[in-house]
Amino acid sequence: DQQVKQNSPSLSVQEGRISILNCDYTNSMFDYFLWYKKYPAEGPTFLISISSIKDKNEDGRFTVFLNKSAKHLSLHIVPSQPGDSAVYFCAANERNAGKSTFGDGTTLTVKP
Amino acid sequence: DGGITQSPKYLFRKEGQNVTLSCEQNLNHDAMYWYRQDPGQGLRLIYYSQIVNDFQKGDIAEGYSVSREKKESFPLTVTSAQKNPTAFYLCASSIYTGTSGFGEQFFGPGTRLTVL
Repeated sequence: DQQVKQNSPSLSVQEGRISILNCDYTNSMFDYFLWYKKYPAEGPTFLISISSIKDKNEDGRFTVFLNKSAKHLSLHIVPSQPGDSAVYFCAANERNAGKSTFGDGTTLTVKP
Repeated sequence: DGGITQSPKYLFRKEGQNVTLSCEQNLNHDAMYWYRQDPGQGLRLIYYSQIVNDFQKGDIAEGYSVSREKKESFPLTVTSAQKNPTAFYLCASSIYTGTSGFGEQFFGPGTRLTVL
């Protein structure tokens, strides 16, 4: 049973517009959530995170929103740039479990 | 520069041979991880280690083995028992923050293993 789901395998947006990537989880013990960005043939890089005690965290063009009651989080990128084109992974941590559970990723394409 | 190194970037082996993938970090991180990525799929956890001389199986540990004799090193051996070893392998590390458990993971560049 997949505990972290990214239901949209791909997303295409126009440069300058907003990109919204979604992630759902089922395990209520998750208390820390992260987003990673990955280019082909490279390792993922950390983008932004949010603790379960918050509902929003912002870092420049990137904002993560957490809705605990819906067990849903989203990553907003605004404005989107062609260099943002990559695979985005959502991940969730359970305190002291020592590991993250990853979603399958969403491929974002930003068109010039 | 601090970071994680994986070597080699490309590796070819004949079917039936064991192969060991290297992962070294100089970030002084407590935890280390091995993932496998297949085309069009996400990251699947093979093994992880929170401290030296201790490690746990992930979701797909069968056919793999690891050791954690030093904090900086976490080599992964792909044995001949692994049915489909051809994949992209990623190593990562993270620090224990105390208040939030283990923080974000820092990934190496990956090793693409092809078994012929």
